[in-house]
Amino acid sequence: AQSVAQPEDQVNVAEGNPLTVKCTYSVSGNPYLFWYVQYPNRGLQFLLKYITGDNLVKGSYGFEAEFNKSQTSFHLKKPSALVSDSALYFCAVRDATSGTYKYIFGTGTRLKVLA
Amino acid sequence: DTEVTQTPKHLVMGMTNKKSLKCEQHMGHRAMYWYKQKAKKPPELMFVYSYEKLSINESVPSRFSPECPNSSLLNLHLHALQPEDSALYLCASSQRGSNTEAFFGQGTRLTVV
Repeated sequence: AQSVAQPEDQVNVAEGNPLTVKCTYSVSGNPYLFWYVQYPNRGLQFLLKYITGDNLVKGSYGFEAEFNKSQTSFHLKKPSALVSDSALYFCAVRDATSGTYKYIFGTGTRLKVLA
Repeated sequence: DTEVTQTPKHLVMGMTNKKSLKCEQHMGHRAMYWYKQKAKKPPELMFVYSYEKLSINESVPSRFSPECPNSSLLNLHLHALQPEDSALYLCASSQRGSNTEAFFGQGTRLTVV
């Protein structure tokens, strides 16, 4: 069975400091991994994805994520946080071998960037 | 155009009403999705359409009835809903293939009274 874990309900970070939002996954085949951000009363916006290749993936708004196969992790990072980054972040996985359209979402992590 | 447009943005309906949610995309995506999202929770998949055919129904109650009239439009017909159905309903679309990202609409905030 596929699953995604986001161990932190909330992450607080000071503006200008680096941020990390954690994600671990479990799939039976090869994973396709995604990060989405959701602002209040809005839909989800795609940030970045890992499909294959370089383990460090760069995405929108200065975000990046590192795929670690041995630790089954896909942590979201940003070198310098902005107050405007405050939002709800979801990690999601798809099993590459199953051919399914279904995204499995983590429970979400609320990021709060303090001025 | 990289937008998924959902109407209405807000909807209040009684338990005996019939209403419809609409979703439109012009990105040529052939997979379209309905998700339900409760506050501070992840989206829950309800339905997936692939090439205008229902591909996945996540055991959704029959008071929710999806329809895909063409490759750009997706509807969700609502009838005899319960207050616990109040939620944010999100439409999304994507290219076919497991390695593709989904584009989400901003959602319809539904309140059942």
